[in-house]
Amino acid sequence: GENVEQHPSTLSVQEGDSAVIKCTYSDSASNYFPWYKQELGKRPQLIIDIRSNVGEKKDQRIAVTLNKTAKHFSLHITETQPEDSAVYFCAAYQSWAGNKLTFGGGTRVLVKP
Amino acid sequence: KAGVTQTPRYLIKTRGQQVTLSCSPISGHRSVSWYQQTPGQGLQFLFEYFSETQRNKGNFPGRFSGRQFSNSRSEMNVSTLELGDSALYLCASRRGENTEAFFGQGTRLTVV
Repeated sequence: GENVEQHPSTLSVQEGDSAVIKCTYSDSASNYFPWYKQELGKRPQLIIDIRSNVGEKKDQRIAVTLNKTAKHFSLHITETQPEDSAVYFCAAYQSWAGNKLTFGGGTRVLVKP
Repeated sequence: KAGVTQTPRYLIKTRGQQVTLSCSPISGHRSVSWYQQTPGQGLQFLFEYFSETQRNKGNFPGRFSGRQFSNSRSEMNVSTLELGDSALYLCASRRGENTEAFFGQGTRLTVV
């Protein structure tokens, strides 16, 4: 089955700096890659996603890149703000495997003011 | 439009008991997935249902089971509870393939 690895597990950045989280996946048939943000005590919420036919997608301060050959994708947050502090999860979706969404282990991001 | 609703929000059970959790998906969503979230293990996939059929199952013991009703509402059941079953149980619904999964607020289960 699919395996998604996420690094780093914790990330501390100064306000205004950039944050980068990387994920690798094992199944080359995976075709949809969402990123979720989970604030303390709240449910995970989608912040950006990318499909396998696209290499990069941007939404204001957030961007995601996908390298299908290397089977990895990354989340980039620029000009970080204290409200970006949360746990971020990457995921990979395999439509052939019964529509299963496999999550990475999560990255706890702390933005220091 | 109502979001994904999970009930109850909190549960305290004793070892050996069983528990049933409920999830009502967003209207029109036919896919419901369940996840177990613990501090050290992230989001672990339990199972997914679509049109009352289980399409996929994670690596959990047979004590964990679920079902989906014709109105897409889903329940999961855990029998013979163990201390290690203490976790936040999240369900998520999707409209279809390759679409956003919307999460409920979760049910926090504590086994004592």
